[in-house]
Amino acid sequence: NAGVTQTPKFQVLKTGQSMTLQCAQDMNHNSMYWYRQDPGMGLRLIYYSASEGTTDKGEVPNGYNVSRLNKREFSLRLESAAPSQTSVYFCASRGRTGTRNQPQHFGDGTRLSIL
Amino acid sequence: SQQGEEDPQALSIQEGENATMNCSYKTSINNLQWYRQNSGRGLVHLILIRSNEREKHSGRLRVTLDTSKKSSSLLITASRAADTASYFCATSPYNTDKLIFGTGTRLQVFP
Repeated sequence: NAGVTQTPKFQVLKTGQSMTLQCAQDMNHNSMYWYRQDPGMGLRLIYYSASEGTTDKGEVPNGYNVSRLNKREFSLRLESAAPSQTSVYFCASRGRTGTRNQPQHFGDGTRLSIL
Repeated sequence: SQQGEEDPQALSIQEGENATMNCSYKTSINNLQWYRQNSGRGLVHLILIRSNEREKHSGRLRVTLDTSKKSSSLLITASRAADTASYFCATSPYNTDKLIFGTGTRLQVFP
């Protein structure tokens, strides 16, 4: 049981390049989330998907787009990368049912550097 | 702005001592959760306390929740060097599917 898998683990981009971060979960969870974590900071929510077919903005959505491809997969796209988007990106999933009183399960992160 | 604020930002203790971390938040919540993050890794869920609960235990962990003061504390008893990590509180705002994380407490336990 792999849990939440993120690819790639590391990536270096040049300013203006585009890239898609992939996330897949095998726990049959309804909700999926993308966060970024900057040095010495907690996690900030970029986008989330409460269920297949829906997506909503979080605290810091500017510069990003998401796609909930199916129940298992939730991708994050940077259309034109900027140095301010250098960060560690975490994907998480939660819940087989509608209750909100369940924990989130996290992947190990994608470390993204933009030069 | 982040909903959870944690105190202290950093804590250093000796093995065997207890570690207490505090979290304050701003709005009504469904629940409050604590997570642990080892260096270079993702977050791991430790414990969830619902808004109608006041105290919860899990092994060496004890969590309290005071909704009137909008605050929570995490107590780790008889700490071990392996407890060295960053600890984050996260609140689930009422009637949403989101989690809002605090800035974390970095705990160092010396052997």
